[in-house]
Amino acid sequence: GAVVSQHPSRVICKSGTSVKIECRSLDFQATTMFWYRQFPKQSLMLMATSNEGSKATYEQGVEKDKFLINHASLTLSTLTVTSAHPEDSSFYICSAREGNSYNEQFFGPGTRLTVL
Amino acid sequence: EDQVTQSPEALRLQEGESSSLNCSYTVSGLRGLFWYRQDPGKGPEFLFTLYSAGEEKEKERLKATLTKKESFLHITAPKPEDSATYLCAVQAGTALIFGKGTTLSVSS
Repeated sequence: GAVVSQHPSRVICKSGTSVKIECRSLDFQATTMFWYRQFPKQSLMLMATSNEGSKATYEQGVEKDKFLINHASLTLSTLTVTSAHPEDSSFYICSAREGNSYNEQFFGPGTRLTVL
Repeated sequence: EDQVTQSPEALRLQEGESSSLNCSYTVSGLRGLFWYRQDPGKGPEFLFTLYSAGEEKEKERLKATLTKKESFLHITAPKPEDSATYLCAVQAGTALIFGKGTTLSVSS
């Protein structure tokens, strides 16, 4: 149980275009979903937290107009990187949690974004 | 400031050579300490949750323990397939704060 999927697993796009990444909880209802970014050989950095039906809460330094997050249902959250630039190239990972904050987060397999 | 520090950064073991990874933390109001395993190019895989000092959990060759200031991940008789980066995270408020991880390499 506790499976989280992400799509796509890899994406290459041109500078200036927008990219949407989907995160789905397959066998549980995710009260809260999280989006992380990970640079090579670095740990995960939280970008934003989203609760179903509410606006996302962004971490300091993360541009909410650039990284649009939608959590429309208890099983789906999307991250849209708008007007992507090469510096946005990174490994983006989502996680999902059922219930309250004492529960563990389950992570998706990640999406490798490369902006040319 | 809430903080998580893992040591060592990298650890090389021979197959069968037991060892421990350390996770030191400072957090106000610990709601849980989590261990994850991450393979290259993949998302973290959940291993354990510990909630209170003195708690221990085991899974195959792995055993996690918790005190008021740190957690240890003990690896008994590791195998090459245990090679990965092990991440420790603490729950502070609604967010997880991750350490930088320990990269374990087990050679046969």
